[in-house]
Amino acid sequence: QQQVKQSPQSLIVQKGGISIINCAYENTAFDYFPWYQQFPGKGPALLIAIRPDVSEKKEGRFTISFNKSAKQFSLHIMDSQPGDSATYFCAASINYKLSFGAGTTVTVRA
Amino acid sequence: EPEVTQTPSHQVTQMGQEVILRCVPISNHLYFYWYRQILGQKVEFLVSFYNNEISEKSEIFDDQFSVERPDGSNFTLKIRSTKLEDSAMYFCASSTRGVEPQHFGDGTRLSIL
Repeated sequence: QQQVKQSPQSLIVQKGGISIINCAYENTAFDYFPWYQQFPGKGPALLIAIRPDVSEKKEGRFTISFNKSAKQFSLHIMDSQPGDSATYFCAASINYKLSFGAGTTVTVRA
Repeated sequence: EPEVTQTPSHQVTQMGQEVILRCVPISNHLYFYWYRQILGQKVEFLVSFYNNEISEKSEIFDDQFSVERPDGSNFTLKIRSTKLEDSAMYFCASSTRGVEPQHFGDGTRLSIL
């Protein structure tokens, strides 16, 4: 059962542009929704996270938008930079375990 | 910044052999996890561990797998008799309180021949 669906699989954005990654979940018992960034050869690194009682959270250039009724959440990367080129994973948590999306490879062109 | 460290970075093992993957979680963390990522696929939860016992495990974590915290700093994952399909990147993670947030190591790439 695919509990967290992530799209798109990959995206290319110009430097300074906006990257948007979407995730949808099925289990309404999920209570924590983090986004992880992963560079080649490295482990996932926490980028930003949100709880379902909040509709939006912003940290620097990264914003999570959360729609509880639609069971969807998204990551917006503003003013994308070449250093943002990485794979991004959304996840949802219940009972001490994270369910990850399939990942989105973001390429920022200079 | 404190980090989760994993050794070895790459392990090559013959099918049927036992393998132990090692992790040193962040020192004040109390919750420990193992995840795996088969090449090209998503990261999958294996097991969570707290207070010297398994909190939760996935259907992947069958009798061939075990975890242990042998001392105050290490957290290990043992695969008793490896299969070809165990080839994957294995990530250790730790957290201070329940889930938020989990900090991941850089992984051990396990290759079964």
